[in-house]
Amino acid sequence: AQKVTQAQTEISVVEKEDVTLDCVYETRDTTYYLFWYKQPPSGELVFLIRRNSFDEQNEISGRYSWNFQKSTSSFNFTITASQVVDSAVYFCALSDNQAGTALIFGKGTTLSVSS
Amino acid sequence: DSGVTQTPKHLITATGQRVTLRCSPRSGDLSVYWYQQSLDQGLQFLIQYYNGEERAKGNILERFSAQQFPDLHSELNLSSLELGDSALYFCASSTGSWATDTQYFGPGTRLTVL
Repeated sequence: AQKVTQAQTEISVVEKEDVTLDCVYETRDTTYYLFWYKQPPSGELVFLIRRNSFDEQNEISGRYSWNFQKSTSSFNFTITASQVVDSAVYFCALSDNQAGTALIFGKGTTLSVSS
Repeated sequence: DSGVTQTPKHLITATGQRVTLRCSPRSGDLSVYWYQQSLDQGLQFLIQYYNGEERAKGNILERFSAQQFPDLHSELNLSSLELGDSALYFCASSTGSWATDTQYFGPGTRLTVL
Protein backbone atom coordinates (compact mmCIF):
# COMPACT_ATOMS: atom_id res chain seq x y z
CA ALA A 1 0.00 0.00 0.00
CA GLN A 2 1.07 3.57 -0.51
CA LYS A 3 2.47 5.50 2.39
CA VAL A 4 4.08 8.86 3.05
CA THR A 5 6.22 9.34 6.13
CA GLN A 6 7.26 12.68 7.52
CA ALA A 7 9.30 11.64 10.51
CA GLN A 8 9.86 15.18 11.81
CA THR A 9 6.77 16.21 13.72
CA GLU A 10 8.04 19.65 14.72
CA ILE A 11 11.07 21.73 13.82
CA SER A 12 12.06 25.05 15.39
CA VAL A 13 14.65 27.34 13.83
CA VAL A 14 15.75 30.93 14.11
CA GLU A 15 15.34 33.29 11.18
CA LYS A 16 17.96 32.99 8.45
CA GLU A 17 18.71 29.37 9.28
CA ASP A 18 18.37 26.78 6.54
CA VAL A 19 15.96 23.94 7.27
CA THR A 20 15.22 20.65 5.51
CA LEU A 21 11.92 18.84 5.81
CA ASP A 22 12.11 15.12 5.12
CA CYS A 23 9.62 13.04 3.17
CA VAL A 24 9.88 9.31 2.51
CA TYR A 25 7.31 7.55 0.37
CA GLU A 26 6.29 3.99 -0.44
CA THR A 27 4.65 2.84 -3.65
CA ARG A 28 4.79 -0.21 -5.89
CA ASP A 29 4.01 1.80 -9.00
CA THR A 30 6.70 3.03 -11.36
CA THR A 31 4.60 6.05 -12.29
CA TYR A 32 3.69 8.30 -9.42
CA TYR A 33 3.54 11.94 -8.44
CA LEU A 34 4.82 13.73 -5.39
CA PHE A 35 3.58 17.00 -3.97
CA TRP A 36 4.33 19.48 -1.21
CA TYR A 37 1.66 21.66 0.33
CA LYS A 38 1.93 24.38 2.96
CA GLN A 39 -0.72 25.02 5.62
CA PRO A 40 -0.12 28.38 7.32
CA PRO A 41 -1.80 29.26 10.62
CA SER A 42 -4.78 30.64 8.69
CA GLY A 43 -5.60 27.04 7.74
CA GLU A 44 -5.72 26.88 3.96
CA LEU A 45 -3.63 24.38 2.00
CA VAL A 46 -1.28 26.01 -0.48
CA PHE A 47 0.24 24.04 -3.35
CA LEU A 48 4.01 24.34 -3.60
CA ILE A 49 5.30 21.77 -6.07
CA ARG A 50 4.46 18.64 -8.09
CA ARG A 51 7.08 16.19 -9.33
CA ASN A 52 6.60 13.04 -11.41
CA SER A 53 8.58 9.86 -10.88
CA PHE A 54 10.46 10.18 -14.16
CA ASP A 55 11.92 13.57 -13.39
CA GLU A 56 14.68 13.36 -10.80
CA GLN A 57 16.02 16.83 -11.42
CA ASN A 58 16.18 18.94 -8.34
CA GLU A 59 14.11 22.09 -8.40
CA ILE A 60 14.74 25.53 -6.97
CA SER A 61 12.19 28.28 -6.59
CA GLY A 62 13.53 31.29 -4.76
CA ARG A 63 14.41 30.21 -1.23
CA TYR A 64 12.72 26.85 -1.73
CA SER A 65 14.41 23.77 -3.18
CA TRP A 66 13.43 20.16 -3.53
CA ASN A 67 15.63 17.08 -3.70
CA PHE A 68 14.05 13.99 -5.26
CA GLN A 69 15.96 10.73 -4.89
CA LYS A 70 14.30 7.58 -6.17
CA SER A 71 17.09 5.41 -4.76
CA THR A 72 16.06 6.34 -1.23
CA SER A 73 12.36 7.04 -2.00
CA SER A 74 12.74 10.53 -0.65
CA PHE A 75 11.48 13.94 -1.70
CA ASN A 76 12.97 16.43 0.71
CA PHE A 77 12.21 20.13 0.92
CA THR A 78 14.75 22.77 1.94
CA ILE A 79 14.03 26.35 2.88
CA THR A 80 17.09 28.57 2.69
CA ALA A 81 17.40 31.61 4.95
CA SER A 82 14.10 30.88 6.68
CA GLN A 83 11.73 33.70 7.57
CA VAL A 84 8.98 34.03 10.16
CA VAL A 85 6.41 33.85 7.35
CA ASP A 86 7.62 30.33 6.61
CA SER A 87 6.06 29.15 9.89
CA ALA A 88 3.44 26.61 8.88
CA VAL A 89 2.65 22.92 8.65
CA TYR A 90 4.15 21.36 5.57
CA PHE A 91 2.64 18.25 3.99
CA CYS A 92 4.18 15.85 1.54
CA ALA A 93 1.72 13.87 -0.59
CA LEU A 94 1.74 11.03 -3.13
CA SER A 95 -0.56 9.90 -5.89
CA ASP A 96 -0.07 6.77 -7.98
CA ASN A 97 -2.08 4.40 -10.13
CA GLN A 98 -3.37 2.51 -7.10
CA ALA A 99 -4.50 5.63 -5.31
CA GLY A 100 -5.80 7.05 -8.55
CA THR A 101 -6.41 10.73 -8.19
CA ALA A 102 -6.55 10.64 -4.40
CA LEU A 103 -3.66 12.29 -2.63
CA ILE A 104 -2.05 10.26 0.14
CA PHE A 105 -0.73 12.74 2.68
CA GLY A 106 1.95 12.45 5.31
CA LYS A 107 1.19 13.58 8.86
CA GLY A 108 2.91 16.90 8.24
CA THR A 109 5.85 18.74 9.78
CA THR A 110 5.20 21.85 11.85
CA LEU A 111 7.89 24.44 11.20
CA SER A 112 8.28 27.32 13.64
CA VAL A 113 10.61 30.14 12.67
CA SER A 114 11.40 32.67 15.38
CA SER A 115 12.92 36.11 14.95
CA ASP B 1 -6.04 32.64 -3.21
CA SER B 2 -6.47 29.30 -5.02
CA GLY B 3 -9.75 30.25 -6.68
CA VAL B 4 -11.62 27.47 -4.88
CA THR B 5 -14.35 28.77 -2.58
CA GLN B 6 -15.98 27.00 0.33
CA THR B 7 -18.91 28.00 2.49
CA PRO B 8 -19.47 28.29 5.33
CA LYS B 9 -16.08 28.94 6.91
CA HIS B 10 -17.22 27.72 10.30
CA LEU B 11 -20.12 25.52 11.33
CA ILE B 12 -21.17 24.59 14.85
CA THR B 13 -23.91 22.05 15.32
CA ALA B 14 -25.12 19.33 17.65
CA THR B 15 -24.85 15.57 17.55
CA GLY B 16 -27.47 13.90 15.41
CA GLN B 17 -27.87 16.89 13.11
CA ARG B 18 -27.30 17.17 9.37
CA VAL B 19 -25.18 19.80 7.61
CA THR B 20 -24.27 20.70 4.05
CA LEU B 21 -20.90 22.04 3.00
CA ARG B 22 -20.58 23.82 -0.30
CA CYS B 23 -17.68 24.14 -2.72
CA SER B 24 -17.16 26.05 -5.96
CA PRO B 25 -14.18 24.90 -8.03
CA ARG B 26 -11.72 27.11 -9.89
CA SER B 27 -13.00 28.39 -13.19
CA GLY B 28 -12.54 25.69 -15.82
CA ASP B 29 -11.89 22.84 -13.40
CA LEU B 30 -14.08 19.79 -13.84
CA SER B 31 -12.98 17.72 -10.85
CA VAL B 32 -13.90 18.33 -7.25
CA TYR B 33 -12.41 16.42 -4.33
CA TRP B 34 -13.36 16.34 -0.67
CA TYR B 35 -10.86 15.74 2.13
CA GLN B 36 -11.22 15.59 5.90
CA GLN B 37 -8.48 16.82 8.23
CA SER B 38 -8.68 15.67 11.82
CA LEU B 39 -6.09 15.54 14.59
CA ASP B 40 -6.07 11.76 14.84
CA GLN B 41 -6.49 10.77 11.18
CA GLY B 42 -4.66 13.60 9.45
CA LEU B 43 -5.69 14.53 5.90
CA GLN B 44 -7.87 11.85 4.33
CA PHE B 45 -9.45 11.66 0.91
CA LEU B 46 -13.22 11.23 0.97
CA ILE B 47 -14.58 11.38 -2.55
CA GLN B 48 -14.06 12.81 -6.05
CA TYR B 49 -16.49 13.99 -8.68
CA TYR B 50 -15.64 14.68 -12.28
CA ASN B 51 -18.05 16.61 -14.48
CA GLY B 52 -21.02 15.60 -12.39
CA GLU B 53 -20.17 11.95 -11.89
CA GLU B 54 -18.60 10.16 -8.96
CA ARG B 55 -15.10 9.16 -10.00
CA ALA B 56 -13.36 7.86 -6.88
CA LYS B 57 -14.25 7.04 -3.32
CA GLY B 58 -12.02 6.97 -0.27
CA ASN B 59 -12.73 6.55 3.42
CA ILE B 60 -16.12 8.17 3.30
CA LEU B 61 -18.66 7.10 5.90
CA GLU B 62 -22.11 5.93 4.82
CA ARG B 63 -23.56 8.87 6.76
CA PHE B 64 -21.75 11.20 4.36
CA SER B 65 -22.73 11.83 0.77
CA ALA B 66 -21.76 14.27 -1.93
CA GLN B 67 -22.83 15.45 -5.34
CA GLN B 68 -21.66 17.72 -8.10
CA PHE B 69 -24.18 19.87 -9.87
CA PRO B 70 -24.38 20.90 -13.56
CA ASP B 71 -22.69 24.22 -12.75
CA LEU B 72 -19.86 22.09 -11.26
CA HIS B 73 -20.24 23.24 -7.69
CA SER B 74 -20.31 20.45 -5.16
CA GLU B 75 -21.97 19.79 -1.84
CA LEU B 76 -20.91 17.43 0.92
CA ASN B 77 -23.75 16.29 3.15
CA LEU B 78 -22.97 15.00 6.62
CA SER B 79 -25.81 13.43 8.58
CA SER B 80 -26.37 11.88 12.02
CA LEU B 81 -23.36 13.83 13.15
CA GLU B 82 -21.13 12.49 15.90
CA LEU B 83 -18.53 14.24 18.04
CA GLY B 84 -15.82 12.51 16.03
CA ASP B 85 -16.97 14.22 12.84
CA SER B 86 -15.55 17.49 14.12
CA ALA B 87 -12.81 18.33 11.63
CA LEU B 88 -11.65 20.68 8.91
CA TYR B 89 -13.23 19.73 5.59
CA PHE B 90 -11.40 20.74 2.46
CA CYS B 91 -12.59 20.89 -1.09
CA ALA B 92 -10.05 20.81 -3.90
CA SER B 93 -10.41 21.10 -7.65
CA SER B 94 -8.36 20.18 -10.68
CA THR B 95 -8.62 20.54 -14.42
CA GLY B 96 -9.12 16.90 -15.27
CA SER B 97 -9.32 13.56 -13.56
CA TRP B 98 -5.78 12.30 -13.72
CA ALA B 99 -3.14 11.70 -11.09
CA THR B 100 -1.01 14.22 -13.00
CA ASP B 101 -3.43 17.01 -12.23
CA THR B 102 -2.54 19.35 -9.42
CA GLN B 103 -5.29 19.73 -6.85
CA TYR B 104 -5.87 23.26 -5.60
CA PHE B 105 -7.49 23.50 -2.21
CA GLY B 106 -10.12 25.83 -0.84
CA PRO B 107 -9.88 27.52 2.57
CA GLY B 108 -11.81 24.74 4.29
CA THR B 109 -14.91 24.53 6.45
CA ARG B 110 -14.30 23.96 10.14
CA LEU B 111 -17.07 21.77 11.56
CA THR B 112 -17.57 21.55 15.29
CA VAL B 113 -20.07 19.01 16.60
CA LEU B 114 -21.11 19.60 20.21
